[in-house]
Amino acid sequence: EAQVTQNPRYLITVTGKKLTVTCSQNMNHEYMSWYRQDPGLGLRQIYYSMNVEVTDKGDVPEGYKVSRKEKRNFPLILESPSPNQTSLYFCASSLKRTDTQYFGPGTRLTVL
Amino acid sequence: QKEVEQNSGPLSVPEGAIASLNCTYSDRGSQSFFWYRQYSGKSPELIMFIYSNGDKEDGRFTAQLNKASQYVSLLIRDSQPSDSATYLCAVTEYGNKLVFGAGTILRVKS
Repeated sequence: EAQVTQNPRYLITVTGKKLTVTCSQNMNHEYMSWYRQDPGLGLRQIYYSMNVEVTDKGDVPEGYKVSRKEKRNFPLILESPSPNQTSLYFCASSLKRTDTQYFGPGTRLTVL
Repeated sequence: QKEVEQNSGPLSVPEGAIASLNCTYSDRGSQSFFWYRQYSGKSPELIMFIYSNGDKEDGRFTAQLNKASQYVSLLIRDSQPSDSATYLCAVTEYGNKLVFGAGTILRVKS
């Protein structure tokens, strides 16, 4: 089954404790991205990757890091999480940047 | 001015009615337009995409694109309670960037 998976689905953590949210897709998509979704603000792109070892900032990259060492995986790293990073996070993949996005199930993160 | 604008709603329609959702965008050069549906707590899923001016129909859904007026709309005929969700408009802007609107909440009342 073609899908995008994310883990964990729910995470409660404390300020400053490094965390990683994993994302994996099995559709051989070149383009992957991370979004955060907050009430009233919609989906905002954090980082994206056009291909292996090619990543770039989206609209709200502060406080986040990513890496793309393999085509299928695109982890999101929060080195020192803060309460303003409490949000619902989605990973997405597509063939090209402007194609239909296939979203993962989401990760609800709470930073205390 | 936001790049992609949608009325946040909620838009309430009775069961069986036509729901009309609208989206405006700022880049006259936009080429691709998408409608996603998102149930509460779930991930967005694609309903339709449209590239050319005019209407595109898929079952109960019709996407309408008017590039001259820079708007795209989604019509849902015979609305069902299961259509209650947030509808996200997404537009490719400035050549290579996909921008999402904040979404319109639709409530279909039985």
